[in-house]
Amino acid sequence: DVKVTQSSRYLVKRTGEKVFLECVQDMDHENMFWYRQDPGLGLRLIYFSYDVKMKEKGDIPEGYSVSREKKERFSLILESASTNQTSMYLCASSFAGNYGYTFGSGTRLTVV
Amino acid sequence: AQTVTQSQPEMSVQEAETVTLSCTYDTSENNYYLFWYKQPPSRQMILVIRQEAYKQQNATENRFSVNFQKAAKSFSLKISDSQLGDTAMYFCASRTSGTYKYIFGTGTRLKVLA
Repeated sequence: DVKVTQSSRYLVKRTGEKVFLECVQDMDHENMFWYRQDPGLGLRLIYFSYDVKMKEKGDIPEGYSVSREKKERFSLILESASTNQTSMYLCASSFAGNYGYTFGSGTRLTVV
Repeated sequence: AQTVTQSQPEMSVQEAETVTLSCTYDTSENNYYLFWYKQPPSRQMILVIRQEAYKQQNATENRFSVNFQKAAKSFSLKISDSQLGDTAMYFCASRTSGTYKYIFGTGTRLKVLA
């Protein structure tokens, strides 16, 4: 069964901490994505990557960075966590084509 | 810019009945794809159904079907014989051919009542 695995289901961090959210896929997908999901706002794209070491900004990249050193792993980094980054974070991957995403289970991050 | 609008924040339906979730979108492109995703309370989002804009025939997957009205830019999801397991948040999404990015709507929370 194909999978996108997010390392943490729940995470609580303090303001100002550097936070790493990890995502691993086992489907040899070229594309990987990070979204945040907030009530009433749907899913908003933070960053995506279409190849190893390649990345592009999405709609809300401020305060975030990403790393993709290997094809199967895509990390989201909050350089200095703030309370307005409290959210559900969803990782997804896809082939380079017309297929839909495969999503991870999500990480609910709370910044206190 | 592309937009996707879901005007029904919440809906409910009796078990075994049929329900339709609305979605409208706005794009100036000719080649694009439309999707419905389901997010159950356990949170993992799964693809329900997909429609290529160049295909006139409406997509169907078992109890799920779409009503794709290209001129009206409407893409509704019909769930027949609703089951308790259909209780979830449903997201409509679009993607332009040749791009990586999907545009999601704000979601419709569907509750199936026993």
